[in-house]
Amino acid sequence: EPEVTQTPSHQVTQMGQEVILRCVPISNHLYFYWYRQILGQKVEFLVSFYNNEISEKSEIFDDQFSVERPDGSNFTLKIRSTKLEDSAMYFCASLRGPRDYEQYFGPGTRLTVT
Amino acid sequence: AQKVTQAQTEISVVEKEDVTLDCVYETRDTTYYLFWYKQPPSGELVFLIRRNSFDEQNEISGRYSWNFQKSTSSFNFTITASQVVDSAVYFCALVYNNNDMRFGAGTRLTVKP
Repeated sequence: EPEVTQTPSHQVTQMGQEVILRCVPISNHLYFYWYRQILGQKVEFLVSFYNNEISEKSEIFDDQFSVERPDGSNFTLKIRSTKLEDSAMYFCASLRGPRDYEQYFGPGTRLTVT
Repeated sequence: AQKVTQAQTEISVVEKEDVTLDCVYETRDTTYYLFWYKQPPSGELVFLIRRNSFDEQNEISGRYSWNFQKSTSSFNFTITASQVVDSAVYFCALVYNNNDMRFGAGTRLTVKP
């Protein structure tokens, strides 16, 4: 069964460094998402992406964040200058089409900022 | 506003007890979907069930059952004869018109042997 994959599974970085989290959505899916889950807290929506542009973003998704689909398969989340409070699990998800409603989640990348 | 409330932060039961996890949602949309996910200690989100707003039939899958009531905007989840392996955080989520998903705060279930 096709699945969403994310790399790396765990990333440790120093405060102020740039980090790129990678996701490979399911191949025929058209909508892509990033979510964040700070340890022990709820899963929070960051951004949705469709047709090579951002569809919606939350207030968390500030200028430090960007997303890209550089090559038609990868979907990346970049954090330009990481802060301690960026430490969290980041989930990527993809959705086949507008009437499907079920997002398929990747296993997550745990980001630790020291 | 689109919102999901899981009022129970933590629940602890002894194995073989039945347990119900509550979920109350708010949405202006007439078409929406409700989900339950399980998050074990390993961290991944495991899909359990999806329900659309037009289907109020309750569902049973093994020891799991779901009670969807539009009149009270609730989508509760019951585990019958709980087992230690059911210990996890359970999230209820709402997907509304533009396919965006909003999660509740989660309920941490601990099943003791």
